[in-house]
Amino acid sequence: DVKVTQSSRYLVKRTGEKVFLECVQDMDHENMFWYRQDPGLGLRLIYFSYDVKMKEKGDIPEGYSVSREKKERFSLILESASTNQTSMYLCASSLTGREEKLFFGSGTQLSVL
Amino acid sequence: AQTVTQSQPEMSVQEAETVTLSCTYDTSESDYYLFWYKQPPSRQMILVIRQEAYKQQNATENRFSVNFQKAAKSFSLKISDSQLGDAAMYFCAYRSGFNFNKFYFGSGTKLNVKP
Repeated sequence: DVKVTQSSRYLVKRTGEKVFLECVQDMDHENMFWYRQDPGLGLRLIYFSYDVKMKEKGDIPEGYSVSREKKERFSLILESASTNQTSMYLCASSLTGREEKLFFGSGTQLSVL
Repeated sequence: AQTVTQSQPEMSVQEAETVTLSCTYDTSESDYYLFWYKQPPSRQMILVIRQEAYKQQNATENRFSVNFQKAAKSFSLKISDSQLGDAAMYFCAYRSGFNFNKFYFGSGTKLNVKP
């Protein structure tokens, strides 16, 4: 079974800090995604990557950047964390194809103080 | 852009009873997939069921089934014989058949199961 692993389950950071959220998948999926989950808003796409070093902005990319140097690893970077970035962050991966489902990690609950 | 609407923020069901979660979507595309995902307290999102827009027959997975009304753009999830382990957040999602990386999620419905 596909495993998507997020490095931290809970993270507490200070305003202005640079924050790295790491995600690793073990099934050679081309596509990887970073979502933000907020109550009442569902999941919103921040960035996705369809290949190594390739990325595209999602619906809410402001304040975030990503890195994909290896196929299995997709990192989300908050250059200067702000309190409005306190949220649950979910990483997902999938094969290419309209019938393909997303496989999710267990999420990182980030608190920015 | 496509939108997915879940109008029920929270629902409750008695154990062993049946419950239906609603989802509507807005799209001008003819080719797409619809999904229901479950997020239990462990936070791991798992796929419950999926439906291809071209298939008229409603998808079924054990106690879970959907009522897919393409013309009405409605995709409801029915859970039969509800169990305590069904308690979770449920998200409806739309995936474009033309741009595979476009997934759109609803705001979620929290399902409580009463013993």
